[in-house]
Amino acid sequence: QVQLVESGGGVVQPGGSLRLSCDASGFSFSNYAIHWVRQAPGKGPEWVSVIAYDATQKYYAESVKGRFTISRDNSESAVYLQMNSLRHDDTALYYCATEEVGFDNWGQGSQVTVSS
Amino acid sequence: IVMTQSPDTLAVSLGERATINCKSSQSLLYSSNNKNYLGWYQQKPGQPPKLLLYWASTRESGVPDRFSGSGSGTEFTLTISSLQAEDVAVYYCQQYYNYPRTFGQGTRVEIK
Repeated sequence: QVQLVESGGGVVQPGGSLRLSCDASGFSFSNYAIHWVRQAPGKGPEWVSVIAYDATQKYYAESVKGRFTISRDNSESAVYLQMNSLRHDDTALYYCATEEVGFDNWGQGSQVTVSS
Repeated sequence: IVMTQSPDTLAVSLGERATINCKSSQSLLYSSNNKNYLGWYQQKPGQPPKLLLYWASTRESGVPDRFSGSGSGTEFTLTISSLQAEDVAVYYCQQYYNYPRTFGQGTRVEIK
């Protein structure tokens, strides 16, 4: 079955950096785009970024453009989210997800807390 | 595309109908295939959102048939025909018509 496992979260000071990983299994990873979606405490989900199956296309939310970079390694079945210049409002649970029609598979999330 | 749900909170008696509305700031109907690029999700505490419906009205595998979706263009509805205790959750609509993907603010469903 499809499994997505996020890691790399933690507590970081404003202006700091983190790199999240999403390890995938149970499906043909190299055929699928992968998304990052975050959810701040008590708030609804917010789409963050997507990378195409072959990494030729990448899109970002305006709120993270220029600070976050998405990448993937199909040989490792992994997607990464490099987060720089972190701000208090980046504090959230970060999920990776697949999308066939709608986000049909989600991981359990990795918590990112930006605090001084 | 801005997604707006109503109401924010809904209290319904067990066995009664629950109706959640979702409006999009532009049409989600793609003319070439006549499909609405809208999904509905259920989220329970401590869990990621779960896809219930896609194409506005197609149930994901394993979703009970008491969940149904309707609407087209810019106005959509999620209906729970007979509310069960396990349906207490927050429900979100989401468009996948274009980027950035966007969600509604959520509707909390409670037992009256």
